[in-house]
Amino acid sequence: RKEVEQDPGPFNVPEGATVAFNCTYSNSASQSFFWYRQDCRKEPKLLMSVYSSGNEDGRFTAQLNRASQYISLLIRDSKLSDSATYLCVVTGDSSYKLIFGSGTRLLVRP
Amino acid sequence: DTEVTQTPKHLVMGMTNKKSLKCEQHMGHRAMYWYKQKAKKPPELMFVYSYEKLSINESVPSRFSPECPNSSLLNLHLHALQPEDSALYLCASSLRGGNNVDEQYFGPGTRLTVT
Repeated sequence: RKEVEQDPGPFNVPEGATVAFNCTYSNSASQSFFWYRQDCRKEPKLLMSVYSSGNEDGRFTAQLNRASQYISLLIRDSKLSDSATYLCVVTGDSSYKLIFGSGTRLLVRP
Repeated sequence: DTEVTQTPKHLVMGMTNKKSLKCEQHMGHRAMYWYKQKAKKPPELMFVYSYEKLSINESVPSRFSPECPNSSLLNLHLHALQPEDSALYLCASSLRGGNNVDEQYFGPGTRLTVT
């Protein structure tokens, strides 16, 4: 079983749609959780950290369910510029080490 | 400003060459990282420097040699690479070192091709 699992997609949605991604992780000792976005041939960029209480940043909402060991990302009112690969990231046994999921690809069409 | 810079942007080298990748951050971050990313795969951790000391080497072959001259700079020296080492090499930094968990900020990467 992979340490971090994501649906690879692609999710193909129209502009203005709401889309949700889920991610599951295997290590119950993981302490920190993040969503990064990565555009084609670019570096990963931090989108948001994910807190136990959930957090929201504009159109983006992240949730953490420790009991079920999954993380979600909700994007409302999708824009063309949201087209990217979204990487779910958790810390491993050593807190400095980030474990990356393989990413979920989002395509937002006009 | 969460900026990590890397040079060069692109590098083509032969298997007998020696080259170096450079990474710089001026955010006062105390941990710096090297990652390797192949196409359509997530980044893979190579090295971690914490407070300018190498704290983690993820079993990387010795043809990759990291160096941290000071708290703002991180180098990756390359020697006798193989074609399968062709990849995007990403540098990242985070605020605190040690066992602290902070967001990591990535540089734009160096796209390396080994011929």
